[in-house]
Amino acid sequence: DVQLVESGGDFVKPGRSLRLSCAVSGFTVSSAWMHWVRQAPGKGLEWVGRIKRRSNGGTTDFAAPVKGRFTISIDDSENTFYLHMGSLKPEDTAMYYCTSDYGWGQGTLVTVSS
Amino acid sequence: QSALTQPRSVSGSPGQSVIISCTGTSSDVGGYDYVSWVQQHPGKAPKLMIYDVYKRPSGVPDRFSGSKSGNTASLTISGLRTDDEADYYCGSHAGSHVVFGGGTTLTVL
Repeated sequence: DVQLVESGGDFVKPGRSLRLSCAVSGFTVSSAWMHWVRQAPGKGLEWVGRIKRRSNGGTTDFAAPVKGRFTISIDDSENTFYLHMGSLKPEDTAMYYCTSDYGWGQGTLVTVSS
Repeated sequence: QSALTQPRSVSGSPGQSVIISCTGTSSDVGGYDYVSWVQQHPGKAPKLMIYDVYKRPSGVPDRFSGSKSGNTASLTISGLRTDDEADYYCGSHAGSHVVFGGGTTLTVL
């Protein structure tokens, strides 16, 4: 069975950094296009960024609001997908989901507030 | 403002069929066969229902089907059930990024 399990969400002050994890089972992370999607309270879905499957170059792309502040990486040994969030802003407050063509995780909540 | 346009709400009676549309441009929906649909019940995580326009993940009933014509993708739900009542979002590959619709609330009357 496919499972995507996020963790790492927290309450942080503006300007701080945070790393979210997405532990995957049922498929190999590096063989899939993996995305982070967020949802602010009461709002719709917003794409954050992705990493292409390794056979497509393994490169990353990001949405304009987070470009330059967020990065994505993969740990093959742990089959885990990460979102590294820097210079956090209050508008980054949201539930963050990892997703692929195999499914979505249950989300992890990030709250940025002074 | 969302990049993809979905109706704010649709409704249907149990047993009926409904179609939810998702309209984009030739730079997203019309340009790639990478449209997905997710279902989200209140307070829950989204669930992937359709990917690559028409493919269903394991476990998704065949009452859910996806299609695309030009710049518009559609999600058809047949044999409506009360537990289909939820928000539905479409998403599409758009070159260097991904775009979502604003979501459609399905009410099963």
